[in-house]
Amino acid sequence: DVKVTQSSRYLVKRTGEKVFLECVQDMDHENMFWYRQDPGLGLRLIYFSYDVKMKEKGDIPEGYSVSREKKERFSLILESASTNQTSMYLCATLRWLANTGELFFGEGSRLTVL
Amino acid sequence: SQKIEQNSEALNIQEGKTATLTCNYTNYSPAYLQWYRQDPGRGPVFLLLIRENEKEKRKERLKVTFDTTLKQSLFHITASQPADSATYLCALEGYGGSQGNLIFGKGTKLSVKP
Repeated sequence: DVKVTQSSRYLVKRTGEKVFLECVQDMDHENMFWYRQDPGLGLRLIYFSYDVKMKEKGDIPEGYSVSREKKERFSLILESASTNQTSMYLCATLRWLANTGELFFGEGSRLTVL
Repeated sequence: SQKIEQNSEALNIQEGKTATLTCNYTNYSPAYLQWYRQDPGRGPVFLLLIRENEKEKRKERLKVTFDTTLKQSLFHITASQPADSATYLCALEGYGGSQGNLIFGKGTKLSVKP
């Protein structure tokens, strides 16, 4: 089974703090994604990566950056956390099968910024 | 831009009945469409994928249809059970489709009453 592990289930940070959200997968998948999920807005793509050291902006990259130094690890960074970044953050990895992709999600990291 | 809509935010049905969830999309012709299940506080879990050249796909009590003319997918759960209560998300291939990006609907929260 594919395992996607997010380092923290719950975090509470203060405005202006730097926040690291870590995601590790054990299936050697090339594509990894960071989404945030908010009530009424659904899942929105922040950044994705299709290879080590490669990254692409998603729909809402402002205020975020990412790092992919190793294939199995994809980190989301909030350089200076703000209250509007309070959200559920979901990491996912992609398995390709016959020209289609199936996403495997981690359990999520619920971030509260005070 | 691509738009995906799940018509109902919530659907309440009686145990044993068939639940039918709707997903509509515009401004796009996806090669495939997916359905995910999400339980509270957890990451989404992949259920089914249907390709543009498939009219219907089944998996146990689940059935998905894909009408590319209507730009609509229907997701059915037959003989529904309280354990089927969850939020169901549809997703389709987004921009940069070769990278596996998915755009998600906001979800329909299904409640199955005993």
